[in-house]
Order: sequence, then C-alpha cells, then structure tokens
Amino acid sequence: DTEVTQTPKHLVMGMTNKKSLKCEQHMGHRAMYWYKQKAKKPPELMFVYSYEKLSINESVPSRFSPECPNSSLLNLHLHALQPEDSALYLCASSQPGLAGDHNEQFFGPGTRLTVL
Amino acid sequence: KQEVTQIPAALSVPEGENLVLNCSFTDSAIYNLQWFRQDPGKGLTSLLLIQSSQREQTSGRLNASLDKSSGRSTLYIAASQPGDSATYLCAVRSRVASGSRLTFGEGTQLTVNP
Repeated sequence: DTEVTQTPKHLVMGMTNKKSLKCEQHMGHRAMYWYKQKAKKPPELMFVYSYEKLSINESVPSRFSPECPNSSLLNLHLHALQPEDSALYLCASSQPGLAGDHNEQFFGPGTRLTVL
Repeated sequence: KQEVTQIPAALSVPEGENLVLNCSFTDSAIYNLQWFRQDPGKGLTSLLLIQSSQREQTSGRLNASLDKSSGRSTLYIAASQPGDSATYLCAVRSRVASGSRLTFGEGTQLTVNP
C-alpha cells in the first residue's frame, strides 16, 4: 500500500475560523511533510517531521500549526488565515535512510483550501 | 542553494510520438532524483526514483536517466498517449542543515493530442 490519505478534500473557511487538515499513511514511513501549492507552481515545503519531531519549519507564519500525534498521522491546524493562504495543501511521507537520504516520497491527493 | 530547472515549460505533441523532458540542477551533491506527474487539481504521483549512484531507471514506457556530474536528468516517454497529458515535475533531494529536502523544478506541462 503506497497511499497517503488527506481529509477533507475541500475546505472553505472564514478568516476568523479554526480548522484542521489531516493526513495519514500506513507505509511505516518516519518522515512526513506539509507542502503548499499555488496554481501552476511547484509545491513549496512548509514543515518536515522526522521520527515524530519537527525538523524543518520553512519560516511558516504561526497561523499554521503542525502536529504529529504518532508515526502515522500528521495534522495542520489553521487559525486566522488570510485569503492569500488559499491553495492546495499537500501531505507527503518518506522513509529516512541511514545516511541522511530518503527513499521514494509519496504524496496525498491534497486539500483544496479557500479562505474567504 | 539547490536550483532545479525544467525545459521545456510546455510541450504539445501528437499521439504516438516519443518525447524527452529535461531537468537540470545546480548542486551535484544529491541523494536522489524523483520524477512526478500531476494532473490538474490533484496530488503528485511518483513515477521514478533514481538514486545518486544509478544512471537510469525504467518503468513501462518511461525511462529516466541521471548524469549527476553534469547536473542533468531526462525523462523519456515512449509512444505517448493522451492519458500522458499532465504536468511533469522533477525534484532532487539534497542535504540541508537539519536533514534533507526535495527541491522541485517548475514543471513541464505536457499535452498529447489524439
């Protein structure tokens, strides 16, 4: 099974709302990622969790708050977002190797977020 | 800082044609390189992964090559079909201070016409 699942598929929220995006994988991968993707652009890395610890934060605004409850789950908590945060949010996972490398990275289908 | 460039940005071909997509990267100290396809509004589907020690990988009608010393990779698609229409993204995994990360190119938008 090489599947990464994400819920919800679509989300519309106001600027004062609090919502969460969820991601799950059952491949036994110990690295999980959040990316943001705008139309006709490549994915931009937001956060990396490695062995359930936050290892990379690409200077993401604090209105985005990641959480990794266990090795299979990754959440992204959203609060006080701006309309420019509207985008496709992608989750991914991979298995770290022994020398800092990683095996194949798999992506979920994404959550289409619209902020009004 | 790793930079990845993909040429061409867009490509339109008739069905049945063989085609080559190009990817170049500035720092040859990579762990691996991965090719993805993305359909509009969807997630990324992994096509091929080439480790830094490998020269090529094949999957069905797809063949990817890697020349690490010159910082280049190509994705060869044989006998193209309308279902191959998508955006193809090249990504290289490089070391960073806190581990490693993928750096993506801007993609090649492929249209295969029936």
